[in-house]
Amino acid sequence: QQQVKQSPQSLIVQKGGISIINCAYENTAFDYFPWYQQFPGKGPALLIAIRPDVSEKKEGRFTISFNKSAKQFSLHIMDSQPGDSATYFCAASMWNYGGSQGNLIFGKGTKLSVKP
Amino acid sequence: DAGVTQSPTHLIKTRGQQVTLRCSPKSGHDTVSWYQQALGQGPQFIFQYYEEEERQRGNFPDRFSGHQFPNYSSELNVNALLLGDSALYLCASSSILDRQFFGPGTRLTVL
Repeated sequence: QQQVKQSPQSLIVQKGGISIINCAYENTAFDYFPWYQQFPGKGPALLIAIRPDVSEKKEGRFTISFNKSAKQFSLHIMDSQPGDSATYFCAASMWNYGGSQGNLIFGKGTKLSVKP
Repeated sequence: DAGVTQSPTHLIKTRGQQVTLRCSPKSGHDTVSWYQQALGQGPQFIFQYYEEEERQRGNFPDRFSGHQFPNYSSELNVNALLLGDSALYLCASSSILDRQFFGPGTRLTVL
């Protein structure tokens, strides 16, 4: 049972454009929603994360929008650059599992290509 | 401060063999989680270790086992390797005060 559904599978954006990736979750016990960036041959690196008590979080060119009632969240990358070309994963977890972060449930990933 | 480190970087094994992967957590972290990432897929949770005990486990067979040492480092063991075990194995460390940080992974190829 996949608990986090991510779309689209792949995305091509022109340099300077906006990249939008969407995720939906099922388990209402999740309380931590991170986005990871992964380059080929590397481990995932945290990009930005949000808790369900806020509807939006912005860090530089990256913004998470969160809709608790719809159980959806999305990543917006403004002014997309060729260096942003990577695979992006959304994830969800229960932060306070035994006092620390529980296991992360990942989406299947979105391969982003930013054309110069 | 060296983040999460994993060894080896790459590994090639044949079907039926056993493999041991190693992980050293980020300084200050006491919890280690292991994930399997098949090609083109998102990471899947294998298990999490805290205080030298398995605290959580994902949907993986008993062929996958682990261990955590008193210095918080961890090992992932896989017995009776199958072709389908070929993947990038990721280790992530965390603590009560800090989120999970991922290591660079070990690429396992089973022939």
